[in-house]
Amino acid sequence: EVQLVESGGGLVQPGGSLRLSCAASGFAFSSNWMSWVRQAPERGLEWVAHIKPDGSEKYHVDSVKGRFTISRDNAKNSLYLQMDSLRVEDTAVYFCAREVGRTVDYWGQGTLVTVSS
Amino acid sequence: DVVMTQSPLSLPVTLGQPASISCRSSQSLVHSDGNTYLNWFQQRPGQSPRRLIYKVSNRDSGVPDRFSGSGSGTDFTLKISRVEAEDIGVYFCMQGTHWPRTFGQGTKVEI
Repeated sequence: EVQLVESGGGLVQPGGSLRLSCAASGFAFSSNWMSWVRQAPERGLEWVAHIKPDGSEKYHVDSVKGRFTISRDNAKNSLYLQMDSLRVEDTAVYFCAREVGRTVDYWGQGTLVTVSS
Repeated sequence: DVVMTQSPLSLPVTLGQPASISCRSSQSLVHSDGNTYLNWFQQRPGQSPRRLIYKVSNRDSGVPDRFSGSGSGTDFTLKISRVEAEDIGVYFCMQGTHWPRTFGQGTKVEI
């Protein structure tokens, strides 16, 4: 059974940093593109970033480029999102997701990030 | 970015009756490989999204056959032939043809 379990969310002040983690199990993690998608009440679902199976290619949406960095450790079956220079508008539930064939087929349960002073 | 526009945003339904959600994209979703990467997701209250349909009309394993997807180019539809109580939630379309992937605003299906 595919399982994706996020952790690392919490309350942070504007300008602060957080590192999200996603522990994957039940599939060949090192063979799949992986993604982060966020959901904010006012702005709906937004694709944040995705990374190639071997980590050699990464893409970030313009709104987080230069501030967020996606990475992975295939030996640990883990996906990460380093979030720096956080803004109030980054407040959202962040989902880890498996990407297959230009779509997402499995999502984690999400971790809430709140950016507020 | 490709804008995905869903309608309606709120859909009151009657159990046992059909329901339909429209999704329109600002650009064609036909990829150079010939596939159209349009997907539908269901999100029940308090849960993560669940994929129902991929590449316009392919139902995921375990998805009831009362759900069907259709369309082409820029115009797509999700249909529920007979709404059941467990179908209540928010439905999203998502395009995977262009980067960045983008989602519709969501359609809330409620009794």
